[in-house]
Amino acid sequence: GQQVMQIPQYQHVQEGEDFTTYCNSSTTLSNIQWYKQRPGGHPVFLIQLVKSGEVKKQKRLTFQFGEAKKNSSLHITATQTTDVGTYFCAGIAGAGSYQLTFGKGTKLSVIP
Amino acid sequence: DGGITQSPKYLFRKEGQNVTLSCEQNLNHDAMYWYRQDPGQGLRLIYYSQIVNDFQKGDIAEGYSVSREKKESFPLTVTSAQKNPTAFYLCASSRGQGLFSYGYTFGSGTRLTVV
Repeated sequence: GQQVMQIPQYQHVQEGEDFTTYCNSSTTLSNIQWYKQRPGGHPVFLIQLVKSGEVKKQKRLTFQFGEAKKNSSLHITATQTTDVGTYFCAGIAGAGSYQLTFGKGTKLSVIP
Repeated sequence: DGGITQSPKYLFRKEGQNVTLSCEQNLNHDAMYWYRQDPGQGLRLIYYSQIVNDFQKGDIAEGYSVSREKKESFPLTVTSAQKNPTAFYLCASSRGQGLFSYGYTFGSGTRLTVV
């Protein structure tokens, strides 16, 4: 079945440093969605990318969808303690498929 | 405010017991989902429903059952056949499906522990 791999599993950064998490699929994705889950909380939808090579920004967050639509990345510039949490990517593979497959997430810790 | 309400927040189950987790949404979403989250495992799909009175098995449906009698409600029963039920259970809904889901809205979850 479809697999969505995320790396790294954990990342510890000093406040003010940048952070990037990567998402890779074994098959071409129709879309990629990103979610953030704060410690003890539930996933919250951040963004969806659909087009090949698409780049979207939300303040300090930059999301990219690869040209081949098999990979994606989330980059956070100048991390803050409020960025702490686990970031998940999720994608849909193949025509006729409707269900998201989630990556295992990257847990971000920010050291003040 | 619209959203998804899951109850209870914490649930303790004895061996051999069936328990039902509640999920209610007032977002007027057609699609609803149940996920299980274990440490380091991400989110795994248990069941999903695209419309009232219809639901489909996800990747890990064994030992679980659902119903969708109303658009707003999608309860999950964890049966005694589920051998390792201790986990964090998340209910979600979406306006549409696939590319047109516009992101899932998640409830705050139910943490189930077997005692």
